[in-house]
Amino acid sequence: QSVLTQPPSASGTPGQRVTISCSGSSSNIGSNTVNWYQQLPGTAPKLLIYSNNQRPSGVPDRFSGSKSGTSASLAISGLQSEDEADYYCAAWDDSLNVWVFGGGTKLTVL
Amino acid sequence: EVQLVQSGAEVKKPGESLKISCKGSGYSFTSYWIGWVRQMPGKGLEWMGIIYPGDSDTRYSPSFQGQVTISADKSISTAYLQWSSLKASDTAMYYCARSFITTDPFDYWGQGTLVTVSS
Repeated sequence: QSVLTQPPSASGTPGQRVTISCSGSSSNIGSNTVNWYQQLPGTAPKLLIYSNNQRPSGVPDRFSGSKSGTSASLAISGLQSEDEADYYCAAWDDSLNVWVFGGGTKLTVL
Repeated sequence: EVQLVQSGAEVKKPGESLKISCKGSGYSFTSYWIGWVRQMPGKGLEWMGIIYPGDSDTRYSPSFQGQVTISADKSISTAYLQWSSLKASDTAMYYCARSFITTDPFDYWGQGTLVTVSS
């Protein structure tokens, strides 16, 4: 059971906007920033969003992140077939002194 | 170009020992932390621990403390993850990744090392 809670799956058609939620607690999301990782099939995870809503260089602005209280979300607009991947949220947990991850959301582009 | 290159896939028997590696290049290896992340087959990501090659300061997740050893050799810009006695449940993909401080996100990742433990 993951410390952060994500829906196991999400889907959308090309061009649509989809959002993926991530729920935590006061010791992780509630007191620290959230990062999102994208894992394309058969590859290593890649940093997609950091500090709740910042995009590393090279990440399209179709990807955006937000945080409110003990929850965060990742939004993908203008969905493309190459966005089909697993998405993980992560936050530092002050009580456990570890990075905690969500269980991952498998995004399918229909 | 920043790169983390991990050692190749391993197939081991229960009870055997193993040390996998992660070689950094394209940046100052001693100025960034190197963390290890486990991904069991079909499962999510788990943070195992992290080391600062500059002074070998090492932190472990309680879930992995005593189960693995993280080390680094700064002279060859390489970090290691080792087991003294593997179990079938150690079968997983292991990733190394870089962060500037322990609470920063991992900005670069290795390609992963698949460890299979089977009798």
